[in-house]
Amino acid sequence: DTAVSQTPKYLVTQMGNDKSIKCEQNLGHDTMYWYKQDSKKFLKIMFSYNNKELIINETVPNRFSPKSPDKAHLNLHINSLELGDSAVYFCASSQSSWEKLFFGSGTQLSVL
Amino acid sequence: QKEVEQDPGPLSVPEGAIVSLNCTYSNSAFQYFMWYRQYSRKGPELLMYTYSSGNKEDGRFTAQVDKSSKYISLFIRDSQPSDSATYLCAMNSNTGNQFYFGTGTSLTVIP
Repeated sequence: DTAVSQTPKYLVTQMGNDKSIKCEQNLGHDTMYWYKQDSKKFLKIMFSYNNKELIINETVPNRFSPKSPDKAHLNLHINSLELGDSAVYFCASSQSSWEKLFFGSGTQLSVL
Repeated sequence: QKEVEQDPGPLSVPEGAIVSLNCTYSNSAFQYFMWYRQYSRKGPELLMYTYSSGNKEDGRFTAQVDKSSKYISLFIRDSQPSDSATYLCAMNSNTGNQFYFGTGTSLTVIP
């Protein structure tokens, strides 16, 4: 039973398109995150939600919009995709912002 | 200065070797320290979680925290080819609202 699941695993799309990535956690955690991992494996935080409330909103283009319908779900919508958006996007969750962080398996986004 | 520094490697060792992976950090408020293992095309998997200074052992893995030197280590004994992966350190304080990650060290264990 997967703890943090995100879909799709792969996303190949054209520049200018709009796409969404979905994330769900069944750990009962209060805090969820979106991270972007570049080709050098560096994990950069994008957003953090605690119990559906936005806590962290790093310097991310406003084409990226997170949505948390409930504390078990955090989706990421991306408008007007650009070549530079190509990366692996990870969803993660933790009980609080300093407790163990658990990651999903990632979404490989390729913008052509 | 970055919050967390980690040598990216790559590190290549023969099977059976002892591996030492390290991170340094600048924020003395960090109290929670984690090590993650990430296989190619997979999500980071939590290996070790420690609080404050000291050692923690789990099988072939030992995590060590030296808060006075702002230095953490992960030791892997009797390394196996299946340990080949990227290892990421992460840390936080109880007042911080995010984890701070190192850049990851790529490890290859040669049979």
